[in-house]
Amino acid sequence: AQSVTQLGSHVSVSEGALVLLRCNYSSSVPPYLFWYVQYPNQGLQLLLKYTSAATLVKGINGFEAEFKKSETSFHLTKPSAHMSDAAEYFCAVSGKGNKLVFGAGTILRVKS
Amino acid sequence: EAGVAQSPRYKIIEKRQSVAFWCNPISGHATLYWYQQILGQGPKLLIQFQNNGVVDDSQLPKDRFSAERLKGVDSTLKIQPAKLEDSAVYLCASSSQALSGQETQYFGPGTRLLVL
Repeated sequence: AQSVTQLGSHVSVSEGALVLLRCNYSSSVPPYLFWYVQYPNQGLQLLLKYTSAATLVKGINGFEAEFKKSETSFHLTKPSAHMSDAAEYFCAVSGKGNKLVFGAGTILRVKS
Repeated sequence: EAGVAQSPRYKIIEKRQSVAFWCNPISGHATLYWYQQILGQGPKLLIQFQNNGVVDDSQLPKDRFSAERLKGVDSTLKIQPAKLEDSAVYLCASSSQALSGQETQYFGPGTRLLVL
């Protein structure tokens, strides 16, 4: 069975500071990994995905994530936080059949 | 390109009543998903369709939930009768034909259900 653990239900950073959101996965097969963002009262929007091509994946809005098989991790980073980055972020793992299994989410707060 | 459409956006009902949600996927997307997102949790897949056939409904509470996608396009999710614990956001998503695991799912805005 596949599962995702997101460490920290809430993360707070200052504007301009590094954003680091942690995600660890469990999968018995080579995983496909996704990060989605959800703004209040909206659906989920894809930030980036890992599909076994490159271990460092660049996404929209300046976000990137690195797949580390040895650590079973897929942490999301952004060098400099912006107020507009405040949202909830979900890490998800997918296997054959396209079924997504999501983590519990991390709410990012950006302080001015 | 139009995104995934859902209606209604909000619904308030009494327990034991019935409710239905509608989803129109992105044009040409063969795969459609319904997720339940309870407050403070990540979305959980309820049912997955490929065209008008069910691929996975293992987490659908079939004693009260039903879903259909009769013509392989629009889909309806129904709850009858509703319980308090059904209060959640119901998200619809769609993706292309392939089931490789790496297909991007595109999400609608969701329907927020409150059961009183």
